[in-house]
Amino acid sequence: QKEVEQDPGPLSVPEGAIVSLNCTYSNSAFQYFMWYRQYSRKGPELLMYTYSSGNKEDGRFTAQVDKSSKYISLFIRDSQPSDSATYLCAMKDGGSQGNLIFGKGTKLSVKP
Amino acid sequence: NAGVTQTPKFRILKIGQSMTLQCTQDMNHNYMYWYRQDPGMGLKLIYYSVGAGITDKGEVPNGYNVSRSTTEDFPLRLELAAPSQTSVYFCASSLREGATNEKLFFGSGTQLSVL
Repeated sequence: QKEVEQDPGPLSVPEGAIVSLNCTYSNSAFQYFMWYRQYSRKGPELLMYTYSSGNKEDGRFTAQVDKSSKYISLFIRDSQPSDSATYLCAMKDGGSQGNLIFGKGTKLSVKP
Repeated sequence: NAGVTQTPKFRILKIGQSMTLQCTQDMNHNYMYWYRQDPGMGLKLIYYSVGAGITDKGEVPNGYNVSRSTTEDFPLRLELAAPSQTSVYFCASSLREGATNEKLFFGSGTQLSVL
């Protein structure tokens, strides 16, 4: 079983839709959870991060972590064509030595 | 503020050739990383560095070498290019202090083809 699983999509939605992106993981030591957004031919950029369980909201984006289910989600409300990108989840354990483990990324397309 | 700068943006190599991918950051970050990204495969860590003079292997280090002589620069060396090294390479940096959230800043990538 891979440490981080993410459905690669592609996912296509109409403008204004609510988008749900998800990752599952197997390592119960993961404490830090992130979502990176990557536009075509660009490097990833940090979008959201959370520590341990709970929700975090930033504008149209909400990150949710359920450590009991080893499941994280990113919700995008009122999706826009500019949200079209690949979204990568990433996570690491609580120690000072570990490195980020990335999911494969989900390609999202928001149609006008 | 330039952030993380990678050069070149594109390169075509013949099998067996060597090259160095350059990476520099101006944020005084202690950690630097090299990743490769293949279609549908996510980001794989090649090498990383926790500070000048200290480097360590990541998940896929074979065929690559790195050095970190300064805080700012972290070049990646391919000695004998193989078709399996065709990929997009990303350099990243972060300011990590103990056990903390990892906020990586990425460069814009180098598209490398080995033919």
